[in-house]
Amino acid sequence: GAVVSQHPSRVICKSGTSVKIECRSLDFQATTMFWYRQFPKQSLMLMATSNEGSKATYEQGVEKDKFLINHASLTLSTLTVTSAHPEDSSFYICSASSREDRFYGYTFGSGTRLTVV
Amino acid sequence: DQQVKQNSPSLSVQEGRISILNCDYTNSMFDYFLWYKKYPAEGPTFLISISSIKDKNEDGRFTVFLNKSAKHLSLHIVPSQPGDSAVYFCAASDYGQNFVFGPGTRLSVLP
Repeated sequence: GAVVSQHPSRVICKSGTSVKIECRSLDFQATTMFWYRQFPKQSLMLMATSNEGSKATYEQGVEKDKFLINHASLTLSTLTVTSAHPEDSSFYICSASSREDRFYGYTFGSGTRLTVV
Repeated sequence: DQQVKQNSPSLSVQEGRISILNCDYTNSMFDYFLWYKKYPAEGPTFLISISSIKDKNEDGRFTVFLNKSAKHLSLHIVPSQPGDSAVYFCAASDYGQNFVFGPGTRLSVLP
């Protein structure tokens, strides 16, 4: 089945630094990538949706200058948390869908636990 | 305003018995529903889905039922196994434009 590889699985960074999280679709072309954030004891929160080759669409309340999303190819999307602060510590998850499997797709990455110290 | 609700935050079931996880939604534009399973520190994994043109979809031990008039769906796991212990998220999509997750239900299957 479809596989989305997300790296790193865990990262600890200092306040003020930037962290890049990668999501790769290994065996299909991900025309759309979704980035989520999960707060403790809450559901996944959709942060942004990106289509290959175009700018990401951010959900209300998500700072686009802080959470930079790049979807330059059909197999790779990156989320960069810029000038990270402790409140950015969270679990970030990507998911991908292809044009061929518009509904069934939504394959999730394994998530990245970000801790900002 | 929660468009997708899972009113039971947790559920405990004896091994071998049936687990029934419920989900309610408010947006009548939702046309596709999915269930995801999530273990701690891992991303959610897709479990089973159902289109709004169906009222039942079965895959092994997992069956999803959809009642459009009541805007309600449920996931049945029979028989339940300890490895099924996880958080289960219900999600809904309207023609791929919105993708909304419920808050999740933590299932504990007791040996």
